Amino acid sequence: QLQLQESGPGLVKPSETLSLTCTVSGGSISSSSYYWGWVRQPPGKGLEWIGTIYYNGNTYYNPSLTSRLTMSVDTSRNLFSLKLNSVTAADTAVYYCATQPRFLEWLGWFDPWGQGTLVTVSS
Amino acid sequence: EVVLTQSPGTLSLSPGERATLSCRASQYISNNYLAWYQQKPGQAPRLLIYVASSRATGIPDRFSGSGSGTDFTLTISRLEPEDFAVYYCQQYGSSPITFGQGTRLEIK
Repeated sequence: QLQLQESGPGLVKPSETLSLTCTVSGGSISSSSYYWGWVRQPPGKGLEWIGTIYYNGNTYYNPSLTSRLTMSVDTSRNLFSLKLNSVTAADTAVYYCATQPRFLEWLGWFDPWGQGTLVTVSS
Repeated sequence: EVVLTQSPGTLSLSPGERATLSCRASQYISNNYLAWYQQKPGQAPRLLIYVASSRATGIPDRFSGSGSGTDFTLTISRLEPEDFAVYYCQQYGSSPITFGQGTRLEIK
């Protein structure tokens, strides 16, 4: 059974880069059956898809974030990562990583999810 | 971008009652590529329904999804105390993936 765990700094200064890692256990990130996604949720608000990556490095980004976003995968360590640069207070959110079954290629639902990690952007 | 509008914003019901939650899309969602999630405070969302009407593994059969095109519904046939939470719909028929703003289901 797949399990995902986010990790990274809980506090980032404005204009700096937010970096998070999602470690996958219970299965291989190199499986052709899954894509790997990030979703965020500002405090008290709804969910926003950030981006999705495949084990071969193919990426799919939300157009609203694409200019600031970089996602990568490390198959040797079974993890994938997120970097969001030039952050502002609007990027304060709980960041979730999640699995996307390969259904309509990268477009799909999210299951399972990591527990989430709160990242606050503040000086 | 497909905008999903959920209604009502808040639904107040009692245990044992039937809950009907709506998700309306601004554009046709191809092949009914719509999912529903339940989120409790301090927890990650949990997948309930995918492809509009297929229950995810381990989801009780009191949860059902229906609809097509632009109008979708999540129905909880008889509310249990653990069902009171926030529910989100999500479309994956086109990029970017989008979510509705959520419906809060609260105890009356």
